[in-house]
Amino acid sequence: AQSVSQHNHHVILSEAASLELGCNYSYGGTVNLFWYVQYPGQHLQLLLKYFSGDPLVKGIKGFEAEFIKSKFSFNLRKPSVQWSDTAEYFCAVNAGDNYGQNFVFGPGTRLSVLP
Amino acid sequence: SQTIHQWPATLVQPVGSPLSLECTVEGTSNPNLYWYRQAAGRGLQLLFYSVGIGQISSEVPQNLSASRPQDRQFILSSKKLLLSDSGFYLCAWSRWGGRDTEAFFGQGTRLTVV
Repeated sequence: AQSVSQHNHHVILSEAASLELGCNYSYGGTVNLFWYVQYPGQHLQLLLKYFSGDPLVKGIKGFEAEFIKSKFSFNLRKPSVQWSDTAEYFCAVNAGDNYGQNFVFGPGTRLSVLP
Repeated sequence: SQTIHQWPATLVQPVGSPLSLECTVEGTSNPNLYWYRQAAGRGLQLLFYSVGIGQISSEVPQNLSASRPQDRQFILSSKKLLLSDSGFYLCAWSRWGGRDTEAFFGQGTRLTVV
């Protein structure tokens, strides 16, 4: 079975600082990888996703993530955060040989950006 | 376009009472359907998923059950609620396979068992 871990429970940054949120998964086969974001009071929405091809994936709002297969990692990055990026971020994995049958999420990382 | 409806948004129920949370999806057919529970600091815990009518897989043994009486309807139930059932419940759906695979979430139900 798949599992996902996220390195940080709560990250606090000042505006314009760079962001990297760690995500590692455990699964031996092909995977689809996702980052979801939940802004305060809003529902979960997709930030970006990786299926195949270029391991560097660009998403909305200037976010990007890099899939490193050898490290089973899919870290999320943004060069310069804004106050509006304050939210909870979830990494998720979907097993490639069982597409769509379940999504396993990490515990989430809460990001607080100080103005 | 596809939409997902989940209700009620909030619910306060006494211990020992039954529970029924409903989720419906519009604009797609044969979706995969999911129930998650979100707890602070613990992320999203997958409770149940379904790949078709009457097909339910349970990920975590618990006091809850799920049913899929129609293609686009997914129900989370309990016969007798426990205090520990309090939490935030999310319904989600996804298409099957490949680049279209993506989970779409409802707005959630905040359940408080008193």
